[in-house]
Amino acid sequence: SQKIEQNSEALNIQEGKTATLTCNYTNYSPAYLQWYRQDPGRGPVFLLLIRENEKEKRKERLKVTFDTTLKQSLFHITASQPADSATYLCALISGNTPLVFGKGTRLSVIA
Amino acid sequence: GAVVSQHPSRVICKSGTSVKIECRSLDFQATTMFWYRQFPKQSLMLMATSNEGSKATYEQGVEKDKFLINHASLTLSTLTVTSAHPEDSSFYICSARDFTSGDGEQFFGPGTRLTVL
Repeated sequence: SQKIEQNSEALNIQEGKTATLTCNYTNYSPAYLQWYRQDPGRGPVFLLLIRENEKEKRKERLKVTFDTTLKQSLFHITASQPADSATYLCALISGNTPLVFGKGTRLSVIA
Repeated sequence: GAVVSQHPSRVICKSGTSVKIECRSLDFQATTMFWYRQFPKQSLMLMATSNEGSKATYEQGVEKDKFLINHASLTLSTLTVTSAHPEDSSFYICSARDFTSGDGEQFFGPGTRLTVL
């Protein structure tokens, strides 16, 4: 069956450290992956999109990698801050399917 | 990034009434919009895909007669929850893909919190 999994439901890290979130997928051939941030009671906010032929993409303190052999994407936040605390969602598009979401990882950055 | 707006942000209604939620793409045209539903501490569940000028495509288990979708223009889709009941209380979020400036990144509205009494 097709699955998209974000390994950790919750992740706590110390301020200033790098947060690394994992997204694995099974039985998909995604054209690309998107990462979103969602705060309680709000809609998801688009962060980054990475295509299947891209290994890495960066935006300010954010970095996303995409390994189609491992069927995995990693999302990094460097120099994390308490304001980065939120739920982070990975989502993929495969063929003509609508965006499919993982369940999210709730990140807490502790001062 | 592109902007998607939703209105209202919050609505409380009595059981049996109908509620309409509007979704607009503000700075791009969207031939396709998506409606999601999210329960507390759960991920987004796709309800339906709204296609401009044609019928919506509903996901399995979503009642099309209960959740009426109209995509009348390239910038507006509406979701009407008909004869709402307390179990319809949820967070409804619309979304659209912007192909004009990138790879079709999907942007989301801020969501509508529906509470049915």
